[in-house]
Amino acid sequence: QQPVQSPQAVILREGEDAVINCSSSKALYSVHWYRQKHGEAPVFLMILLKGGEQKGHDKISASFNEKKQQSSLYLTASQLSYSGTYFCGTEGTGNQFYFGTGTSLTVIP
Amino acid sequence: EAQVTQNPRYLITVTGKKLTVTCSQNMNHEYMSWYRQDPGLGLRQIYYSMNVEVTDKGDVPEGYKVSRKEKRNFPLILESPSPNQTSLYFCASSPHTSGRTPVGNEQFFGPGTRLTVL
Repeated sequence: QQPVQSPQAVILREGEDAVINCSSSKALYSVHWYRQKHGEAPVFLMILLKGGEQKGHDKISASFNEKKQQSSLYLTASQLSYSGTYFCGTEGTGNQFYFGTGTSLTVIP
Repeated sequence: EAQVTQNPRYLITVTGKKLTVTCSQNMNHEYMSWYRQDPGLGLRQIYYSMNVEVTDKGDVPEGYKVSRKEKRNFPLILESPSPNQTSLYFCASSPHTSGRTPVGNEQFFGPGTRLTVL
């Protein structure tokens, strides 16, 4: 039930935009997004619940399409501080939690 | 300060020597979870607990045990560690709020425990 993320890795210049996709083979109740910097613990970014809502966190926003069982994370005008590995996460049946495969994002000056 | 603590942060041990990694949270959270992180595989859930005395298997529970005798503590036990359990381990907790599923809120992570089994 592990969600699949794409791309696996992306390199951006400061100010460029990026999109990270998360796809599941199972019906989704919600999608969570986390960012992990090298050597640190994951940090929560946002949760999207059923209903196709879009949420934002600074210049990072996300959408959730429960019919397609997909979510996308949008990073606008990227900053150096956006570098890290991004994980989506989904709730499984029985209250388990599944993190996606991860997307490594590197922002260069 | 609201936090999740784990001990030890680093551990090198040998095959078969029982060990316990402790996890404690001071936020009165109901849901607690253990994950292991391996290169290329992301974070995988080992066990989770919805409250005191309520624990259940995650995606990769083999070779691990847990207990939840108190709300704040959720230790991870490796009865007979093997080299394939060499990994980075994270404990996490999250609150349960009305109208949300038990794992439908932000998870707060501990700093991680890097375990090497020789």
